Amino acid sequence: SAVISQKPSRDICQRGTSLTIQCQVDSQVTMMFWYRQQPGQSLTLIATANQGSEATYESGFVIDKFPISRPNLTFSTLTVSNMSPEDSSIYLCSVDYSGGNTIYFGEGSWLTVV
Amino acid sequence: GIQVEQSPPDLILQEGANSTLRCNFSDSVNNLQWFHQNPWGQLINLFYIPSGTKQNGRLSATTVATERYSLLYISSSQTTDSGVYFCAVTRASGSRLTFGEGTQLTVNP
Repeated sequence: SAVISQKPSRDICQRGTSLTIQCQVDSQVTMMFWYRQQPGQSLTLIATANQGSEATYESGFVIDKFPISRPNLTFSTLTVSNMSPEDSSIYLCSVDYSGGNTIYFGEGSWLTVV
Repeated sequence: GIQVEQSPPDLILQEGANSTLRCNFSDSVNNLQWFHQNPWGQLINLFYIPSGTKQNGRLSATTVATERYSLLYISSSQTTDSGVYFCAVTRASGSRLTFGEGTQLTVNP
């Protein structure tokens, strides 16, 4: 199975600030994804992080709010910009090792915006 | 897009009881996975099961792809089984997972 490390694991942020979440994988993967889970809700895909090109965003999510980097096949970052209390969520990185056969998740980053 | 519906939304059990969780999906799928999200938020893979039946200890799962549903069975439940169980599907290889709303399971001692 995959080893996926996310940092930070938890943070309390001031509204109006930005925070960058890191995702490190123990081996090279083609597909990396970023999800958001708002309190008491299911997971929603924010974007697919593509190595060497811009991320592909889902409807309702924009690059200015959630810029994503993917400099290589083992690392990605998600920035949550100009945060408001509505951004308080768990943000999860996930990877697809085998073309959709099994998708693994990092431990998640719990953000609280005050 | 594909719709994923899970039932029941909430389930409360006494330790030792058995339970069945259901996942219905609206279209054919390439991948179906069951996850357990523990109280610390971590998502644990339980099964990759686009069709057929699998068992892992007290847990088993069955997917009937032609009828577009999957079942997760938990036998002899323990308090550590508490958490949210998610079903998630993909339409094609390498595509994104679509999650159901989850079943919140509480197992009381």
